Amino acid sequence: DVVLTQTPPTLSATIGQSVSISCRSSQSLLHSNGNTYLNWLLQRPGQPPQLLIYLVSRLESGVPNRFSGSGSGTDFTLKISGVEAEDLGVYYCVQSTHAPWTFGGGTKLELK
Amino acid sequence: EVQLQQSGAELGKPGTSVKLSCKVSGYNIRSTYMHWVNQRPGKGLEWIGRIDPANGNTIYAEKFKSKATLTADTSSNTAYMQLSQLKSDDTAIYFCALMGFAYWGQGTLVTVSS
Repeated sequence: DVVLTQTPPTLSATIGQSVSISCRSSQSLLHSNGNTYLNWLLQRPGQPPQLLIYLVSRLESGVPNRFSGSGSGTDFTLKISGVEAEDLGVYYCVQSTHAPWTFGGGTKLELK
Repeated sequence: EVQLQQSGAELGKPGTSVKLSCKVSGYNIRSTYMHWVNQRPGKGLEWIGRIDPANGNTIYAEKFKSKATLTADTSSNTAYMQLSQLKSDDTAIYFCALMGFAYWGQGTLVTVSS
């Protein structure tokens, strides 16, 4: 199975600060069809997860453009350009290139 | 608007089974995979498996192959997950999700206790 390793596990930020979260895969997530199926989710406390980014860098409808995704192969990054209070929660990467689908361990974003 | 409505909380005794439901409105489930994910108390997300409602094909994570059974009823646009031989370790919130995790149910809390 593909293992996704997220770092850091916890991130402390002030409002307005820019932060990045890394997601590294144990094998390439490039599918034979040319797509890379790596998504980013945010789970706020007590809520189901919310899709932020799909296919590495495509912003889900309604998601603020302070969120951006980048990367290829085995290394991926989620960047938040100017953290806002509503961004606090746990971020997960998830891959669907290889069955079984797998999640990263999560990165908790909290206020400093 | 796409909405996923999951069934209510379950309290199951060890060794028994529970069947959870996920009713979809605003989208035909035949057109997408339905995923099931769990989250144990204070822990991260864990992928259980997915079903293609159009043909019933399923894929499970290895550790859930003898634990979970996924089915779907396209006539009612509803997906189901049965959890068997419940143990205390199965206590968790269980989510359904579709369209590449773009839409999620609100989650169903399953508590296993004697």
